[in-house]
Amino acid sequence: GQQLNQSPQSMFIQEGEDVSMNCTSSSIFNTWLWYKQEPGEGPVLLIALYKAGELTSNGRLTAQFGITRKDSFLNISASIPSDVGIYFCAGQLKETSYDKVIFGPGTSLSVIP
Amino acid sequence: DGGITQSPKYLFRKEGQNVTLSCEQNLNHDAMYWYRQDPGQGLRLIYYSQIVNDFQKGDIAEGYSVSREKKESFPLTVTSAQKNPTAFYLCASSILARGDTQYFGPGTRLTVL
Repeated sequence: GQQLNQSPQSMFIQEGEDVSMNCTSSSIFNTWLWYKQEPGEGPVLLIALYKAGELTSNGRLTAQFGITRKDSFLNISASIPSDVGIYFCAGQLKETSYDKVIFGPGTSLSVIP
Repeated sequence: DGGITQSPKYLFRKEGQNVTLSCEQNLNHDAMYWYRQDPGQGLRLIYYSQIVNDFQKGDIAEGYSVSREKKESFPLTVTSAQKNPTAFYLCASSILARGDTQYFGPGTRLTVL
């Protein structure tokens, strides 16, 4: 079945550094989504990408939908302590009448003040 | 305020007991979902429902059951048939056929002793 791979699995960075993480798959997706989950909470949608090649920003976050439609990356600029959490990518594809969403295993981000 | 509520936040049960997790939304969303999250893994779909009185199995439905008697409510029962029920359970809802609009609840952490 469809599977997403995220790298790196975890990151420890200094406050102020830029962060880059990516998501790859052997399957083609119609939509790529990036979520952030803080400890003990549900994921919150950060960015949604709908077209191959699309580059979208949300404040200090920038994400791109890969040209092959099999990958996506997320960059965070000038990290701050509140960026700590697990970042999930998710790919969406149509499966009959249901838009199935597949989640990656996540990248855990720790920011050292 | 519109949103999704899950209760309780933490739940402890003895092995062999059935337990029901609550999920309520006031977003007027037609579709609702249940996911299971284990450490180091992405979210895995247990069940989803697109309309009242209808629901479909996800990727890991064995040992779980759901009902959708009201649009606002989608309770999940973890039965004694579930071999490894200890996990973090997340409920989500979305606009029909728009999985990219999923909003997540805060989650319920179930521990089976």
